[in-house]
Amino acid sequence: AQSVTQLGSHVSVSEGALVLLRCNYSSSVPPYLFWYVQYPNQGLQLLLKYTSAATLVKGINGFEAEFKKSETSFHLTKPSAHMSDAAEYFCSRSSNTGKLIFGQGTTLQVKP
Amino acid sequence: NAGVMQNPRHLVRRRGQEARLRCSPMKGHSHVYWYRQLPEEGLKFMVYLQKENIIDESGMPKERFSAEFPKEGPSILRIQQVVRGDSAAYFCASSPTDSSNQPQHFGDGTRLSIL
Repeated sequence: AQSVTQLGSHVSVSEGALVLLRCNYSSSVPPYLFWYVQYPNQGLQLLLKYTSAATLVKGINGFEAEFKKSETSFHLTKPSAHMSDAAEYFCSRSSNTGKLIFGQGTTLQVKP
Repeated sequence: NAGVMQNPRHLVRRRGQEARLRCSPMKGHSHVYWYRQLPEEGLKFMVYLQKENIIDESGMPKERFSAEFPKEGPSILRIQQVVRGDSAAYFCASSPTDSSNQPQHFGDGTRLSIL
C-alpha cells in the first residue's frame, strides 16, 4: 500500500541550528512528493514539491528537500532555524487519482 | 486572487444535528478534495469531486457523510446526525487539474465541535 512515514512526531532545535525533518515513502514507482507547513488554526501551505525533475528541490522560507530513490526518502532541511519556523510539517505523496496521502506530521519547536 | 475559502471557520453542533461545511475553490480550479484532521493526527483523505461529479469517495464513512460540488456554488460536505467522534478539523483543497504533480491549495479549515 502507498504510505508516507515521518520519523519523529516532535523535533526541537535551537534558533540558528540545522533543521532536519525525515520522511520516507513506500512505492514501487517514484511518486510526486510534497512538503506542507501548518501554522496554528490555519490550513496547509505548500513548502516545496518533487515532480521527477531535479532531485534537490528548493522551496520557500529557505527550506529544501532531497529526493533519494535508493533510500525512498524525501527529508526536509533548513540550514538555520528561525523562531517563525515553529509549526507542524507534513510530508505527502499524491496517488493516481490526485488525492494526497499524508504522513503523521512533525511538530517543530524552535528554542531561543 | 482569493484562495480557497471555507466557512464557517468554527461550527458547534449537538449530537444528532446536521453539519454543513462549505468550500469555494480558487478561481479557475474545478477539482476539490476534502480531508479530515483528527486531534494529534495527520490529514486523511475523504472525497474528491469535480464539478457535479464524485470522482473518488474511498475515504468517506459509509453512513451519515455526503459531499457535492454543484455546477454553481461551493462544494458542500454534509454530516448528518453528528456524533462526538466527528469532532475534527475539515480541510478543503483545490487544484486546476487532476494531474498528480499539481500541488493542492488548502483552505483554513472548518473546526467542528460536537457537544
